[in-house]
Amino acid sequence: AIQMTQSPSSLSASVGDRVSITCRASQDIRSELEWYQEKPGKAPKLLIYGASRLQSGVPSRFSGSGSGTDFTLTISSLQPEDFATYYCLQDFNYPYTFGRGTKLEIK
Amino acid sequence: QVQLVQSGGGVVQPGGSLRLSCSASGFTFSSYGFHWVRQAPGKGLEWVAFIRHDGTSKYYADSVKGRFTISRDNSKNTLYLQLDSLTSDDTGVFYCARDPFWSDYWGQGTLVTVSS
Repeated sequence: AIQMTQSPSSLSASVGDRVSITCRASQDIRSELEWYQEKPGKAPKLLIYGASRLQSGVPSRFSGSGSGTDFTLTISSLQPEDFATYYCLQDFNYPYTFGRGTKLEIK
Repeated sequence: QVQLVQSGGGVVQPGGSLRLSCSASGFTFSSYGFHWVRQAPGKGLEWVAFIRHDGTSKYYADSVKGRFTISRDNSKNTLYLQLDSLTSDDTGVFYCARDPFWSDYWGQGTLVTVSS
């Protein structure tokens, strides 16, 4: 199975900060990667698909980059509602695998 | 509009079984594959299983292979996940999701608690 190594596992930042989260795949997954935001009690929310495509309705402060094995989610200017947990997901082949998550906390 | 409504969660003893359902509406159910994803309390998301639109192909996470069975009834627009030989590690919220993931249609989640 493809392993997704996500880092950091947690991150403290302030409103207005620029933050980046990375995922590294154990093998080439082309651009078959999604980024999700998760908040307690809610289904995961899709932010980015195809590694860099912004999901409709998602603020433009979110962006994704990368292909092959290295991927990055960037939030350009943190807003209060962005403090949540973020996951990458590879859907290149089965079994699909999520990263272990990054908890973004208020500094 | 697309809706995925889940049912079937609950409390079950270790070693027991449970069947989860995901009832779909607002689209042609038989044209789409589906996934199950779970989240244990305080843990991350885990992809569990996938079934092709016609049920001819199924894939599972290693952690559930041989214990969970994904199936569907296209005449009832319903997806299922049969959970057998449950352990406390299977406790969590289970979500159904329509394929591909980037279409972003998820059920509301259903809680499975494995406890004696």
